[in-house]
Amino acid sequence: EPEVTQTPSHQVTQMGQEVILRCVPISNHLYFYWYRQILGQKVEFLVSFYNNEISEKSEIFDDQFSVERPDGSNFTLKIRSTKLEDSAMYFCASSWTVSGNTIYFGEGSWLTVV
Amino acid sequence: DAKTTQPPSMDCAEGRAANLPCNHSTISGNEYVYWYRQIHSQGPQYIIHGLKNNETNEMASLIITEDRKSSTLILPHATLRDTAVYYCIVRVEAAGNKLTFGGGTRVLVKP
Repeated sequence: EPEVTQTPSHQVTQMGQEVILRCVPISNHLYFYWYRQILGQKVEFLVSFYNNEISEKSEIFDDQFSVERPDGSNFTLKIRSTKLEDSAMYFCASSWTVSGNTIYFGEGSWLTVV
Repeated sequence: DAKTTQPPSMDCAEGRAANLPCNHSTISGNEYVYWYRQIHSQGPQYIIHGLKNNETNEMASLIITEDRKSSTLILPHATLRDTAVYYCIVRVEAAGNKLTFGGGTRVLVKP
């Protein structure tokens, strides 16, 4: 069964450092998403991406965040200057083929900022 | 998106059916009911969705009331591996529409 894959599974970074989280969405999906979940809290929407541009973003997705589809398979989330409060699980997701619009999630990348 | 209301937690006996309720009294005519679950800290896993007819797949059944103001997810034979947080979400079935997660129901399957 096709799945969304994410790397790394866990990353520890120093406050102020840049981090790039990588995702390979399901092949032939056209919409891509990033969500995050701070420990013990709800899963929160960050951004959706379609046709090489952001289609929607939340208030959380401020100027320190950016997304990119650098090639035909990868989808990345960059955090420019990490803060302690960026520590969370980050989930990539994808959706939409001609046969359905269900969103499928990856297993997540756990980011710890120290 | 309309909001949903779910009990914060429930227990279920292994091997028995688990019936998870969800209220969505303000659901719009073009909004589907989606169910996802999250096992421990893994990524949310899609279970099932429906508009107004009852739906069944290999994981679960979804029963939607005739007025569409509530629904029930049924896990027919709960196993210990079904212990998870279950999310009921209403969402317009349009390309690119996001999911908005609430607190869900924390289901504990007991031996």
